[in-house]
Amino acid sequence: AQSVTQLDSQVPVFEEAPVELRCNYSSSVSVYLFWYVQYPNQGLQLLLKYLSGSTLVKGINGFEAEFNKSQTSFHLRKPSVHISDTAEYFCAVSPDDKIIFGKGTRLHILP
Amino acid sequence: DAGITQSPRHKVTETGTPVTLRCHQTENHRYMYWYRQDPGHGLRLIHYSYGVKDTDKGEVSDGYSVSRSKTEDFLLTLESATSSQTSVYFCAIKGTSGRSSTGELFFGEGSRLTVL
Repeated sequence: AQSVTQLDSQVPVFEEAPVELRCNYSSSVSVYLFWYVQYPNQGLQLLLKYLSGSTLVKGINGFEAEFNKSQTSFHLRKPSVHISDTAEYFCAVSPDDKIIFGKGTRLHILP
Repeated sequence: DAGITQSPRHKVTETGTPVTLRCHQTENHRYMYWYRQDPGHGLRLIHYSYGVKDTDKGEVSDGYSVSRSKTEDFLLTLESATSSQTSVYFCAIKGTSGRSSTGELFFGEGSRLTVL
């Protein structure tokens, strides 16, 4: 069975500092990988996705992620965070028609 | 706007009563999903549908049933609600580009269910 592990439930980071949110997955087949963001009291929206091709994927709002097949990871990064990035971030994997989510990482931006 | 509408948006009910949540889409997408979101658990897949009358179970399907009698509507039913089913329920559709899936999900605004 496929699974997604987000290693940190909460990540505090100072404004304008870089951040990395970690995601590891397990799957016996090739997968599609996604990062979604949920701002307070809102639904989820797609940040970026990896379907195939280049392992470095760029998304909205300055975020990027790198697919590492050997380490089964898909970590999300941003070089400089802003207060508006305060949200919960979800990694997701899609090996087939099902799309499985991790438990989420809350990003806290410190002034 | 992916044209997804969930109803009701908020509902309070009592243990043992039946509850049906509706997801309506306007763009003729084949795949539809129901998730529940709980603190510390992220989103967990309940059921999904890959066409009219074609559904399959997700990670946490016990206590839930679904129906899809037409493309635009995907219903989630709690036959006898329990307090453990208090949650926020999200419907989603899988995006497409032409006849191919883009893989990504578009979510509704959520339905907050409280079971007393």
